[in-house]
Amino acid sequence: DSGVTQTPKHLITATGQRVTLRCSPRSGDLSVYWYQQSLDQGLQFLIQYYNGEERAKGNILERFSAQQFPDLHSELNLSSLELGDSALYFCASSPTSGGGDTQYFGPGTRLTVL
Amino acid sequence: GQSLEQPSEVTAVEGAIVQINCTYQTSGFYGLSWYQQHDGGAPTFLSYNALDGLEETGRFSSFLSRSDSYGYLLLQELQMKDSASYFCAALTGGGNKLTFGTGTQLKVEL
Repeated sequence: DSGVTQTPKHLITATGQRVTLRCSPRSGDLSVYWYQQSLDQGLQFLIQYYNGEERAKGNILERFSAQQFPDLHSELNLSSLELGDSALYFCASSPTSGGGDTQYFGPGTRLTVL
Repeated sequence: GQSLEQPSEVTAVEGAIVQINCTYQTSGFYGLSWYQQHDGGAPTFLSYNALDGLEETGRFSSFLSRSDSYGYLLLQELQMKDSASYFCAALTGGGNKLTFGTGTQLKVEL
């Protein structure tokens, strides 16, 4: 158990819909990272927040957005969902803003878009 | 763009030693991490190399050569529970961004 929690564990929805994935980092960790893992794209970095502010951006679609709240939990919002958005979404956390910190991954949310 | 290449699959017997290679082409490289992922599970951190050379953690060792843009993960005394996918990941973008390799599926046989 990494100490990172993600809800929900599974999510099934239809194309065109919007969903919100939630992540609570390990106690004391200020950075939250979001990743997408799919069979064809592998494990891809989406975005990082550090202490409430966006710190780094990866291959995140414009239909996706994220935020980190004052209590440091984070939400990833996915809108206008397409079949290709079906994937495993991981959240990870680390103590600082980067520099080689170990990233601790949560159990993931499996999103299925029908 | 950023890319990291690994063999897709490696098979070895219990008790043996196996090496998983990773070559990378990235800009703003800070270091190389290794993660293990069992089927359906979350990636778990194994090691991180910021400098050239070998880092040892129990049965696992990781090596980095920045001049060759190359690293490897060495697993010794293989156990059945080591059967998993192993990912190298380059830390870039000011030390914030992890770009993962394609992953190597390790199968340990009796």
